[in-house]
Amino acid sequence: NAGVTQTPKFQVLKTGQSMTLQCAQDMNHEYMSWYRQDPGMGLRLIHYSVGAGITDQGEVPNGYNVSRSTTEDFPLRLLSAAPSQTSVYFCATLGRGGPYEQYFGPGTRLTVT
Amino acid sequence: DAKTTQPTSMDCAEGRAANLPCNHSTISGNEYVYWYRQIHSQGPQYIIHGLKNNETNEMASLIITEDRKSSTLILPHATLRDTAVYYCIVNSGGSNYKLTFGKGTLLTVNP
Repeated sequence: NAGVTQTPKFQVLKTGQSMTLQCAQDMNHEYMSWYRQDPGMGLRLIHYSVGAGITDQGEVPNGYNVSRSTTEDFPLRLLSAAPSQTSVYFCATLGRGGPYEQYFGPGTRLTVT
Repeated sequence: DAKTTQPTSMDCAEGRAANLPCNHSTISGNEYVYWYRQIHSQGPQYIIHGLKNNETNEMASLIITEDRKSSTLILPHATLRDTAVYYCIVNSGGSNYKLTFGKGTLLTVNP
């Protein structure tokens, strides 16, 4: 049982490049979320999904796309990377009906130059 | 969701109890208090949550005031591995997949 896995762990992009951050879970959790964390700050919600085929925007969705074709996977796409997207990205999952805590992945550290 | 206020940083001696306060004066009746911690830029880790009664688990205790406007997370015997940023979050139980994190409290446990 791997829990929540994220790949890659580190990534450097040039401005304007696109890429996909991967998130996978093996806990059969319905809810999945993407957060970003800038230095010295708390986490901010980018997008979330309440089940396969259903996604919605969080607090800071601009510049990111998501899709949820399966329960297990919730990829985050950067369409055209900008230096302002330099951050650590965390994926999290939550099971419906409890327990009530989110499980977080180890994070992807992204630098955009 | 209600906003929370936490001290920026706190120190604690190893082996002593660490008491981390949180103010949430605008909490509404259906909102829970959750505590997470983040060790050295790892993903946040759930600690404990409560509605109005005090709660205890293997990691910590949560004391919520009777008016629910503030709470205290207690780590009974802090160790060096408890050095982390601790986040107090108020959220209705039905939307825990979209939490609002503040800056939290950096707890440093000193030998």
